[in-house]
Amino acid sequence: AQKVTQAQTEISVVEKEDVTLDCVYETRDTTYYLFWYKQPPSGELVFLIRRNSFDEQNEISGRYSWNFQKSTSSFNFTITASQVVDSAVYFCALSEPSNPYDKVIFGPGTSLSVIP
Amino acid sequence: DAGVTQSPTHLIKTRGQHVTLRCSPISGHKSVSWYQQVLGQGPQFIFQYYEKEERGRGNFPDRFSARQFPNYSSELNVNALLLGDSALYLCASSPQRESTDTQYFGPGTRLTVL
Repeated sequence: AQKVTQAQTEISVVEKEDVTLDCVYETRDTTYYLFWYKQPPSGELVFLIRRNSFDEQNEISGRYSWNFQKSTSSFNFTITASQVVDSAVYFCALSEPSNPYDKVIFGPGTSLSVIP
Repeated sequence: DAGVTQSPTHLIKTRGQHVTLRCSPISGHKSVSWYQQVLGQGPQFIFQYYEKEERGRGNFPDRFSARQFPNYSSELNVNALLLGDSALYLCASSPQRESTDTQYFGPGTRLTVL
């Protein structure tokens, strides 16, 4: 069973539009961590945010914001006023301390294209 | 400070050969993890090493092995290469052993098996 689902395979938006990337996770642990990473065409994964399961406060960092809702097992990522440089593949990931085999489980990714 | 470095950048091998990929973590980081990313998919965990000991292993065959050196750098070895091993191999480092730590990734080694 897929533990991290990113239902949107590809998204295209016009520059300056807002866009939300969805992430739904599955875990039986009460303690877990969620991450978002950005992978530009160069290939290197860039860390964006880490959130533990006990902190449901939403977070804003510049044009980026994250909405964590345990009730729906979702950790969605919104980019406000998108820019061409935001074009990349975005991965949501889950870490369960109790899982010895899959240290960090990545979703399949959402490819975002921002059109000028 | 330098980030995670990996070598080589690209590699082309033929089926049946073996390959060694190298990774140097961020200075001060003691944990190194390896991931395989097949085109169009998310990274998949292969190994984690902390203080030169294996701390986790993903669902990969025994053809895959790794080790960590006293300076915390690491090597990933793959024997008897198959076409399906073609992928981007990513190395990530973190300060401590916990998988819940933030991991910082290198640029990857792109392996092509012909």
